[in-house]
Amino acid sequence: GNSVTQMEGPVTLSEEAFLTINCTYTATGYPSLFWYVQYPGEGLQLLLKATKADDKGSNKGFEATYRKETTSFHLEKGSVQVSDSAVYFCALPNYGGSQGNLIFGKGTKLSVKP
Amino acid sequence: ETGVTQTPRHLVMGMTNKKSLKCEQHLGHNAMYWYKQSAKKPLELMFVYNFKEQTENNSVPSRFSPECPNSSHLFLHLHTLQPEDSALYLCASSPDTGTGEQFFGPGTRLTVL
Repeated sequence: GNSVTQMEGPVTLSEEAFLTINCTYTATGYPSLFWYVQYPGEGLQLLLKATKADDKGSNKGFEATYRKETTSFHLEKGSVQVSDSAVYFCALPNYGGSQGNLIFGKGTKLSVKP
Repeated sequence: ETGVTQTPRHLVMGMTNKKSLKCEQHLGHNAMYWYKQSAKKPLELMFVYNFKEQTENNSVPSRFSPECPNSSHLFLHLHTLQPEDSALYLCASSPDTGTGEQFFGPGTRLTVL
């Protein structure tokens, strides 16, 4: 089946710093790729997605590019804010195993200090 | 608001109690999921329902019993739980099981004493 490896945190940054959270995957074919975010006390929310190679997903200043050459989907933001403090999950469908289910990375906790 | 609601948001129960978690989605989706999120562990898929039929049981102990009476509602019945079952239980839905993107509820924080 497919799999995803995500950099482990926690990551602590100062406000306005540059953020990168690494995510690499192994997959059959070219599945859609997702970043989910979980704010404290809440469920997961879709942050952005890319459906094919070279696509760039973007939302709320975050970006991630689907790179098939390096099998990566790294999350980036040029200037983080305190409100970005959350746990971020990289995910992709598991077509090889449970039909259509998502496989999630272990999550990366981001803390942004004022 | 993701269109997926869960009740209760918090639940404390003893090991001999029986309780149920409820999930409702207002998105017209056909697939619904239960996940368990424990501290310092990856998100664990528990059950998958597609068009009210269970399509996945990820080796979940029988003290967790799901029920899906229709495509909009999903329950998780709990009985004789253990303290290690304390976790955040998340419900999600998707148009079907082939699209990948899932919409999550806020979760139920369960504490087993």
